Amino acid sequence: EAQVTQNPRYLITVTGKKLTVTCSQNMNHEYMSWYRQDPGLGLRQIYYSMNVEVTDKGDVPEGYKVSRKEKRNFPLILESPSPNQTSLYFCASSQIRGTGANVLTFGAGSRLTVL
Amino acid sequence: AQKITQTQPGMFVQEKEAVTLDCTYDTSDPSYGLFWYKQPSSGEMIFLIYQGSYDQQNATEGRYSLNFQKARKSANLVISASQLGDSAMYFCAMREGYNFNKFYFGSGTKLNVKP
Repeated sequence: EAQVTQNPRYLITVTGKKLTVTCSQNMNHEYMSWYRQDPGLGLRQIYYSMNVEVTDKGDVPEGYKVSRKEKRNFPLILESPSPNQTSLYFCASSQIRGTGANVLTFGAGSRLTVL
Repeated sequence: AQKITQTQPGMFVQEKEAVTLDCTYDTSDPSYGLFWYKQPSSGEMIFLIYQGSYDQQNATEGRYSLNFQKARKSANLVISASQLGDSAMYFCAMREGYNFNKFYFGSGTKLNVKP
């Protein structure tokens, strides 16, 4: 089954304790990206990657890191989490189509709470 | 300025009636794509419909249609014959530019379908 898999789905952590949210896709998609969803704000893009070793900042990259060493994986790293990073996180992937109809396939989401 | 604006935080519709969810966008790039996603209470993001900026016809997918008014920069979603299963959060999104990199989402509209 074609899918984007995120782990963990739920996590409660404390301020300053480094954590990684993994994201893996099995569709051979070039494009991958991370979003955070907060009430009243919708989804905001954190980072995106056009291919292996090619990453760039989205709208809200502060406090996050990413890497793209393999095409299928795009982990999100919080080096020193803070309470304002408490949020619902989504990873998504897409083929890059010349038509522009690059529909994002989303993971199930990871709910992170930072105390 | 907001790239995507959804002005209806919540809406009610009677089952079997049609409903329009509003979305306006802001871009100066001639190439862009507009998407609608549905998020049920279970949390996953489901792609509904896509409209490219150069598409002449309004997009349709089953009971979903996109009312694309380029001059007004609006991309309203029309759901015909509402069903109870349509109760969900709906997000309008835009992919801006040729690089297929950045995506912008609106704050969402919570639709409740009444029996």
